[in-house]
Amino acid sequence: EVQLVESGGGVERPGGSLRLSCAATGFAFDDYGMNWVRQVPGKGLEWVSYINWSGDRSGYVDSVKGRFTISRDNSKNTLYLQMNSLRADDTALYYCARDSSGTHYAMDVWGQGTTVIVTS
Amino acid sequence: DIQMTQSPSSLSASVGDRVTITCRASQSIGNFLGWYQQKPGKAPKLLIYAASTLQSGGPSRFSGSGSGTDFTLTISSLQPDDFATYYCQHSNSPPFTFGQGTRLEMK
Repeated sequence: EVQLVESGGGVERPGGSLRLSCAATGFAFDDYGMNWVRQVPGKGLEWVSYINWSGDRSGYVDSVKGRFTISRDNSKNTLYLQMNSLRADDTALYYCARDSSGTHYAMDVWGQGTTVIVTS
Repeated sequence: DIQMTQSPSSLSASVGDRVTITCRASQSIGNFLGWYQQKPGKAPKLLIYAASTLQSGGPSRFSGSGSGTDFTLTISSLQPDDFATYYCQHSNSPPFTFGQGTRLEMK
């Protein structure tokens, strides 16, 4: 079964750090680009970051540039999001999702999400 | 950055209705446009990619059209399972912005 499972969310104080992980199973992880998307409860979807299959290209939404770093370990079939200098407005449910050239880089498989709460 | 504007933000409709949601990009994105359905408490689900290609397993009542800056998602005959929130998203170049969403409610 094709599956993405996120972990690493939790409660952190402003200025703190968290590292999210996304474990991929059931498909050739290194054939796909990967993304992080977040959603504040009751609000819309916000794309956060992207990394290509090899890890040598990435992109970020402006609000997280310089604070968040996306990475991947293809030997472990795992995607990461290192989140530093956390702010209250980073509070959200964070999804990982895969994309491919086959879907014009639309995201066809999503995890169930992990919750990040930033509060003092 | 490319901005995506969806309309309407909410819509009331009845089972059997034909429903259309529009999405406009602030600059041309070719056909790098996807449509997603999200139900409460669930992850989004890809419905349409490349503006008009139905994702595998998707119901044929869903269709997409458009290219460049103007796109539409059409549900030909609304079913009870279709009441949800719909998002467009471009995948032309980062940041891959989503539209603000369209909440489809039962009339």
